[in-house]
Order: sequence, then structure tokens, then C-alpha cells
Amino acid sequence: AQSVTQPDIHITVSEGASLELRCNYSYGATPYLFWYVQSPGQGLQLLLKYFSGDTLVQGIKGFEAEFKRSQSSFNLRKPSVHWSDAAEYFCAVGAIWQGNLIFGKGTKLSVKP
Amino acid sequence: DTAVSQTPKYLVTQMGNDKSIKCEQNLGHDTMYWYKQDSKKFLKIMFSYNNKELIINETVPNRFSPKSPDKAHLNLHINSLELGDSAVYFCASSQDRVQETQYFGPGTRLLVL
Repeated sequence: AQSVTQPDIHITVSEGASLELRCNYSYGATPYLFWYVQSPGQGLQLLLKYFSGDTLVQGIKGFEAEFKRSQSSFNLRKPSVHWSDAAEYFCAVGAIWQGNLIFGKGTKLSVKP
Repeated sequence: DTAVSQTPKYLVTQMGNDKSIKCEQNLGHDTMYWYKQDSKKFLKIMFSYNNKELIINETVPNRFSPKSPDKAHLNLHINSLELGDSAVYFCASSQDRVQETQYFGPGTRLLVL
């Protein structure tokens, strides 16, 4: 069965520090992978997505993610975190045959001054 | 200019009542979705419609019924509300199924007392 695991429930980083949020997926075929961000009280906004091609994808707000098929991972990175990045981050895999997204349980990012 | 809009944003009601949440998208997309986010922030697909036709109907109680009067609207009716229905409900849309980015509405926060 398809699934997405985000092993870190809550991460705190200092402003200006680098960030990596982990995501592992289980999927039988080539996955479509997404990272969404949810600010408090808001809906979800797409940060970036991977369908095919270059395994390093660039997104909005300075985020990037790398698809590693051998590790079934799609980790999200940012070289320098800003206080406004504090939010909940969701990794998702597209279930092709069903047509919906399967989400991980999210990682809450806190940023300390 | 909101791409995906939902009304109401907040909904507080008593157990046993019937309520509806409306969703509209002005993106010209063919597919619309309803997701439920529980108190632990876990997001799960409930329904998906493609060109007004039901595509996905996950294990959701019969009390929940989606209705799509046209391609731009997907409303969610909930009968006999229960305490466990309290959650945030997100509407989303995409041009086609999984390959395309899903755009999310701001969410409807439902509290059943």
C-alpha cells in the first residue's frame, strides 16, 4: 500500500541555519512527489513537486528537494531559514491509479531567533 | 481572485444537525477533491470528482455526501453530525488527476458540540 512517512514530528532551528525535512515513501511505481506548506490557520500551498527528470527540484521561497529512488526519499532543504518559514510541512505522493494525494503526517517547523 | 474558495470558514454546530460546506474554483480545473484534516493535522482524501463524476469515495460514513452541480463546484453535505466529525475540511482542485498540482482552499473549521 502507498504510504508517506515523515519521521520528524517537530523540528526547531535557529534563524539563518540550514534545514532538512525528511520524507520517505512507499509506492509501487514511479511516484509523483510533492511538498506542501501550511501556515497556521491557512490552507496548503505547494512548495515544489517532482514528476520526472532532474532529481533535484527547486521550489518557491528558496526551498529545494532531492528525489533519491534508492532510498525512497524526497527530503526538503533550505540553506538559510527565515522566521516566516515557521509552519507545518507536508510531504505527499500522488496515487496515480486513484487520482489523489497521500500525505505524510506533517513536520512542524519552529524557528528561534 | 481567490482560486479555490470555501464557505463558511468556521462552522460551529450541535450534534445531530445537518450542515453543508461549499467549494468553488475559478481555475477551470476538471477535478475537485475533499480532504479531512484531523486534530493531529493528518490529511486524508474523502472524495474526488472529475467532470462532475465521482472518482474516489474513500471509507467515509454515508452521512457525508458530495454534490457537484457543475465542474466549478463541489459541495459537501453532512447529515446527523457527530462529535468525531470535528475537523478541518479542505477542498482542492487540479487540472487533471495526480500529475497536476492540486490547489487547496483555505479550509473550513468544523466544530461539533
